[in-house]
Amino acid sequence: GAGVSQSPRYKVAKRGQDVALRCDPISGHVSLFWYQQALGQGPEFLTYFQNEAQLDKSGLPSDRFFAERPEGSVSTLKIQRTQQEDSAVYLCASSLGLTDTQYFGPGTRLTVL
Amino acid sequence: AQSVAQPEDQVNVAEGNPLTVKCTYSVSGNPYLFWYVQYPNRGLQFLLKYITGDNLVKGSYGFEAEFNKSQTSFHLKKPSALVSDSALYFCAVRDRNRDDKIIFGKGTRLHILP
Repeated sequence: GAGVSQSPRYKVAKRGQDVALRCDPISGHVSLFWYQQALGQGPEFLTYFQNEAQLDKSGLPSDRFFAERPEGSVSTLKIQRTQQEDSAVYLCASSLGLTDTQYFGPGTRLTVL
Repeated sequence: AQSVAQPEDQVNVAEGNPLTVKCTYSVSGNPYLFWYVQYPNRGLQFLLKYITGDNLVKGSYGFEAEFNKSQTSFHLKKPSALVSDSALYFCAVRDRNRDDKIIFGKGTRLHILP
């Protein structure tokens, strides 16, 4: 069966550009999570959705980061005016319910020059 | 606050030998505990989790982990290592009495030597 997919897999942006990262969760999974993984570190929580509702966005590092899931399925993480410190792998995960096992996508590696 | 410590950045084990990857945690309430594995250029793959019940949890690929409440540990183990087990392993914790965030450790790179 299809797992979590993310696109693009790799993104290179010039500093100041806006980027949009897409996540397609496993079909039927209600909960969707975004994480940021810096080089040599574990994933760090950014935000999560229950259906289309964004229930926690406390991990978003600045107001340049914005996430949405308008129809309760596909989600987009947008980063405005990218900075070099935004360079990281952005991981998406989905789960059946809020406390069920999370299944991760392959990630999008963002490099800001 | 929740936290996870993986004290070893890297663990080297000869193929066929038993392996242990260490993890300790800190939560204010009772924990859910997880192990994930990450292969190069791939996302995290779920290995196993502890929710409640038997302290010894068996997971994918022959891995197991033992929950030790008194030592606040959840070490990952395998009786006989394979070269294909070489990867990055992450321990994670969620406080079941608080919210739904999972906190990950920094990861331990496991090298299985042929």
